[in-house]
Amino acid sequence: GQSLEQPSEVTAVEGAIVQINCTYQTSGFYGLSWYQQHDGGAPTFLSYNGLDGLEETGRFSSFLSRSDSYGYLLLQELQMKDSASYFCAAPGTYKYIFGTGTRLKVLA
Amino acid sequence: GAVVSQHPSWVICKSGTSVKIECRSLDFQATTMFWYRQFPKQSLMLMATSNEGSKATYEQGVEKDKFLINHASLTLSTLTVTSAHPEDSSFYICSARGSQGAGELFFGEGSRLTVL
Repeated sequence: GQSLEQPSEVTAVEGAIVQINCTYQTSGFYGLSWYQQHDGGAPTFLSYNGLDGLEETGRFSSFLSRSDSYGYLLLQELQMKDSASYFCAAPGTYKYIFGTGTRLKVLA
Repeated sequence: GAVVSQHPSWVICKSGTSVKIECRSLDFQATTMFWYRQFPKQSLMLMATSNEGSKATYEQGVEKDKFLINHASLTLSTLTVTSAHPEDSSFYICSARGSQGAGELFFGEGSRLTVL
């Protein structure tokens, strides 16, 4: 089967840096994507790692290590609006599976 | 960016009735669409993958006869919940993958279904 595991909840203060981990077990792995979802809304795409290493997009960075079946999303200079759920996901040819999700709470 | 429109955004229906949810890609051709179901504070669970012009591929445990998916064109996919029951109440979200950008899905706004 396929599974992507994440911590259920992370709490941090405004201005801090937080890392959300994702460990996966999938077949036919192509890469790792990350999404943000606010309560009641649809997921929005943040980043995609098709290759090992770090991808940086503004305050967000994402990392992938295929040898460790592991990736993470790094959020810097946290803002209150970053409070949301974050999902890693594994795109495939015929499937697109999401991780268990991490609820991030940003405290003032 | 690519836009996916989904409607209705919310619907309330009586038990035993059927509900159709539409998902349209407005400015690109979606060869593949994915339908997800999400319960409160949980992850997105893949229900089925639909490819234009062919039958949908359902995930294990998803009833094909209950959740009818049709992908008749490159811009439209529909999900029909047949003979809905209260346990079918959930947030249903469609997404589309265009011809480029394998890593990114474009999501509709989601449809919140409440079955009384």
